[in-house]
Amino acid sequence: LAKTTQPISMDSYEGQEVNITCSHNNIATNDYITWYQQFPSQGPRFIIQGYKTKVTNEVASLFIPADRKSSTLSLPRVSLSDTAVYYCLVGYGGSQGNLIFGKGTKLSVKP
Amino acid sequence: DAGITQSPRHKVTETGTPVTLRCHQTENHRYMYWYRQDPGHGLRLIHYSYGVKDTDKGEVSDGYSVSRSKTEDFLLTLESATSSQTSVYFCAISDIRDRVGYEQYFGPGTRLTVT
Repeated sequence: LAKTTQPISMDSYEGQEVNITCSHNNIATNDYITWYQQFPSQGPRFIIQGYKTKVTNEVASLFIPADRKSSTLSLPRVSLSDTAVYYCLVGYGGSQGNLIFGKGTKLSVKP
Repeated sequence: DAGITQSPRHKVTETGTPVTLRCHQTENHRYMYWYRQDPGHGLRLIHYSYGVKDTDKGEVSDGYSVSRSKTEDFLLTLESATSSQTSVYFCAISDIRDRVGYEQYFGPGTRLTVT
């Protein structure tokens, strides 16, 4: 059974590094892991995407171990404006209909 | 921001009435999606389209139908709305190439209340 699992919430302080892990045991061989950020009353916004090992862009890093059964979104030196809900999206093969979002991790950054 | 609009942005309707939500894109992307977002459930795929007149079901398709007669428009219809369909509905688009991935661009959402 395809399932994308992530923690419900996390707390952090400004300036700290935050790591959010997503579990996806049955990810399809050719499918990617994608992370989104969502602020209240807005649609989700793409952050980063990866297939294996490590991917880094200007806002985040994504770490994917060799077995690809999990992935970790890393946000360096968070600020108050990073307070949001973060979703991982994983493909379980076959078609677009097998794309499953996790239920989201609500990150609260405190001063 | 990607050119995606949704209409209406807010709607209140009564149980048993038909409702149609519209998603319009100006990006000429091939794929279009409809999701619903509910507390505790995150985003769940209702239907998606991979081309004009080509659609398929997602995780929670019961009670919903879709149509795509033009590349730029994707309609979601609730034939007979129920209170369980009260939700925020998001449209998304993507332009998948060579199985690179699933970077989706989301619209602003439609808040639907069924009384």
